[in-house]
Amino acid sequence: GQNIDQPTEMTATEGAIVQINCTYQTSGFNGLFWYQQHAGEAPTFLSYNVLDGLEEKGRFSSFLSRSKGYSYLLLKELQMKDSASYLCAVSDSNYQLIWGAGTKLIIKP
Amino acid sequence: SQTIHQWPATLVQPVGSPLSLECTVEGTSNPNLYWYRQAAGRGLQLLFYSVGIGQISSEVPQNLSASRPQDRQFILSSKKLLLSDSGFYLCAWRVQADSGNTIYFGEGSWLTVV
Repeated sequence: GQNIDQPTEMTATEGAIVQINCTYQTSGFNGLFWYQQHAGEAPTFLSYNVLDGLEEKGRFSSFLSRSKGYSYLLLKELQMKDSASYLCAVSDSNYQLIWGAGTKLIIKP
Repeated sequence: SQTIHQWPATLVQPVGSPLSLECTVEGTSNPNLYWYRQAAGRGLQLLFYSVGIGQISSEVPQNLSASRPQDRQFILSSKKLLLSDSGFYLCAWRVQADSGNTIYFGEGSWLTVV
């Protein structure tokens, strides 16, 4: 079967760095997406990785290792507004998105 | 630029009543359209997707149905709601199911069945 695993919840301190991991087992791979979802709102796109390595976009970076079936989202200089759920999704061999359950990130002052 | 809009934003419906959620996309043609449901504290569950007018694929057997009467319109319906239908419903679109094409979500509709 197809499976995406992420931690259910993480806590970090304002100004610090946090890494949210995602491991996947899917039938085929055509890229991995990260989305941010604030409570009560729709998910918004953060990043896309299809090749191995690190993609940096401001305070957020996303890493992919296809051989390990592993990705992480790195958030630097955390702000209170970063408190949200972070969803990992993999595009499978049919380009359908398989979604993780999301990681709820709590930022403390 | 492309936009997606769904409505209503919030609704409270009694068990056994019908449902209709609507979604429209502007600024693109022949998009792939999706309906997702997200239960409280849970991940996204794909309900339906459509690659063209009148073409609907159902991912989960249930008492919900979807229709695509026009290229950029997607409707989620039910004839008789169940308590378990409560949740956050999201419409989404994508240029086409291809590598790297991002999926974009509407604002979401909160459904509470009482």
